[in-house]
Amino acid sequence: IAGITQAPTSQILAAGRRMTLRCTQDMRHNAMYWYRQDLGLGLRLIHYSNTAGTTGKGEVPDGYSVSRANTDDFPLTLASAVPSQTSVYFCASSDNGLASTDTQYFGPGTRLTVL
Amino acid sequence: AQSVTQPDIHITVSEGASLELRCNYSYGATPYLFWYVQSPGQGLQLLLKYFSGDTLVQGIKGFEAEFKRSQSSFNLRKPSVHWSDAAEYFCAGVNSGGYQKVTFGTGTKLQVIP
Repeated sequence: IAGITQAPTSQILAAGRRMTLRCTQDMRHNAMYWYRQDLGLGLRLIHYSNTAGTTGKGEVPDGYSVSRANTDDFPLTLASAVPSQTSVYFCASSDNGLASTDTQYFGPGTRLTVL
Repeated sequence: AQSVTQPDIHITVSEGASLELRCNYSYGATPYLFWYVQSPGQGLQLLLKYFSGDTLVQGIKGFEAEFKRSQSSFNLRKPSVHWSDAAEYFCAGVNSGGYQKVTFGTGTKLQVIP
């Protein structure tokens, strides 16, 4: 079982370009999440999805969009990248939606640099 | 605001020494609390979690944490640290009940010296 895969592993992007970070899970989890990790700020939630077909905004959603067409995939799109979006992005999933007791399983991350 | 705080950004311990990483929480009711570990270049992995009941929680890799309501703390401990424990550790919390988002602390980076 692969768990959660993310692609690409890393990317350097020119400001203004559009970029989609991919996330796929094979655990049939209902909920999926996107976080960004920045030094001194920990992990901050960007967007989440409780189940296929639904999405919600997290702490820092501006400049990002997501879709959840099926259970397995949860892509994150930067429509027009800016340097402040330079970060490490983690995708995660959990079994039963945003239930408080659920363990979140994390992917290996995507390191994005916007120049 | 509901939050978790990790006051130590960086901690260095000698291999074989004991370890305690601090986490304080601020929630209206008793929260659910978690400790995650992130090895270099990896995603986060759950070490342990507390929901209710016994306030001393055992986790993987020999870690434990104690929930102390009077101190609003959930400190992570290990009696004897191994070099492979060098990583970044995140405390996380969420309001109990319903569908709530988890809030992560800013992390504590652990360095283990021989």
